[in-house]
Amino acid sequence: DAGITQSPRHKVTETGTPVTLRCHQTENHRYMYWYRQDPGHGLRLIHYSYGVKDTDKGEVSDGYSVSRSKTEDFLLTLESATSSQTSVYFCAIRSGTGTYEQYFGPGTRLTVT
Amino acid sequence: GQQLNQSPQSMFIQEGEDVSMNCTSSSIFNTWLWYKQDPGEGPVLLIALYKAGELTSNGRLTAQFGITRKDSFLNISASIPSDVGIYFCAGPGEETSGSRLTFGEGTQLTVNP
Repeated sequence: DAGITQSPRHKVTETGTPVTLRCHQTENHRYMYWYRQDPGHGLRLIHYSYGVKDTDKGEVSDGYSVSRSKTEDFLLTLESATSSQTSVYFCAIRSGTGTYEQYFGPGTRLTVT
Repeated sequence: GQQLNQSPQSMFIQEGEDVSMNCTSSSIFNTWLWYKQDPGEGPVLLIALYKAGELTSNGRLTAQFGITRKDSFLNISASIPSDVGIYFCAGPGEETSGSRLTFGEGTQLTVNP
């Protein structure tokens, strides 16, 4: 158990509304990631963080922003949700101690109507 | 961009049968990771491979790091119903920074009792 929680686990929201998803870890890992998973596309990286206030874009970052003000929390924000952002969102962590292994949270299912 | 090709995309087998799946890349990988995802949950790391030619087991699962460093294989022996799920390969290929993983699109495994 990598000590990762995601909230909320399920959310339905309307197009145009802002949405924030939270990832929380309890083990002080340096790296945190946000992925989305859609049928036919596997796992795609949205943004990641390599330290407090240090973030970088992934392959599908348009329409998303992130913030990391504390080691344990990594927030993903959809400023104005669109139907194309309906997906399952996973947070992952990596300890950063010379390995590439990432450990995933349980996911958040987001539906934008 | 870097891609991982997994095959087969799906498999339907009888309980007790052995399973083989593979992952290939157009570029060299330094680490290969194999994950399993149960329905409604996040991916779970099964096996990590760090060296070309390496063969590693985890119970009934055996994975190999191809000697060309462009492929990896996962075998499951004597399958059981709880082996059902999606199996992903992943790795931090040379074309990406070590902070990121590239994921294959997964092999969906169905085991008939």
